[in-house]
Amino acid sequence: DTEVTQTPKHLVMGMTNKKSLKCEQHMGHRAMYWYKQKAKKPPELMFVYSYEKLSINESVPSRFSPECPNSSLLNLHLHALQPEDSALYLCASSQGTGYTFGSGTRLTVV
Amino acid sequence: QKEVEQDPGPLSVPEGAIVSLNCTYSNSAFQYFMWYRQYSRKGPELLMYTYSSGNKEDGRFTAQVDKSSKYISLFIRDSQPSDSATYLCAMSVNSGGYQKVTFGTGTKLQVIP
Repeated sequence: DTEVTQTPKHLVMGMTNKKSLKCEQHMGHRAMYWYKQKAKKPPELMFVYSYEKLSINESVPSRFSPECPNSSLLNLHLHALQPEDSALYLCASSQGTGYTFGSGTRLTVV
Repeated sequence: QKEVEQDPGPLSVPEGAIVSLNCTYSNSAFQYFMWYRQYSRKGPELLMYTYSSGNKEDGRFTAQVDKSSKYISLFIRDSQPSDSATYLCAMSVNSGGYQKVTFGTGTKLQVIP
């Protein structure tokens, strides 16, 4: 299995909702990442987990809360988001060579 | 000066042309060099990965790294309409069990049938 799987593929949520994004990989990678990507821009790093510990938080607002329950799973909990948070949210994993992205969750905040 | 500079394009070529995509960088600490292809509204797909100066070939794709000039390129031979996408260069440094990646801004490529 050489994939990073993200669910859901699309999500529409209101500004008062709580939702979660899920990311899973079974490649044995010990580093996992959350990125945010706006249209026509490169991915922007949000969080890095290394060996299930949070290593980097790129000054992300607290309405985004990451969680790494085990070495294969990464969640991003969302609460009280703003319309400007609408974007493609990408998960990635790495171990040594390469850096594999999932296909992303297209999030729309209404 | 940005750590990674990439020509934003867009680049439009006829089918069958050779395409050259380029990035320059300023950080000598970068260890790994990657090219990603991203179709509209999809996640980036890793095309090529290398860590040394020189050429690496995979089918119609050749990645070239020149560490002395801080310059990387991706060549696409016999380009196809299916190659139409945004191409992102990326460079990384290993840091305590994870990779710190810096992306170029992406070059949008259109291959005209």
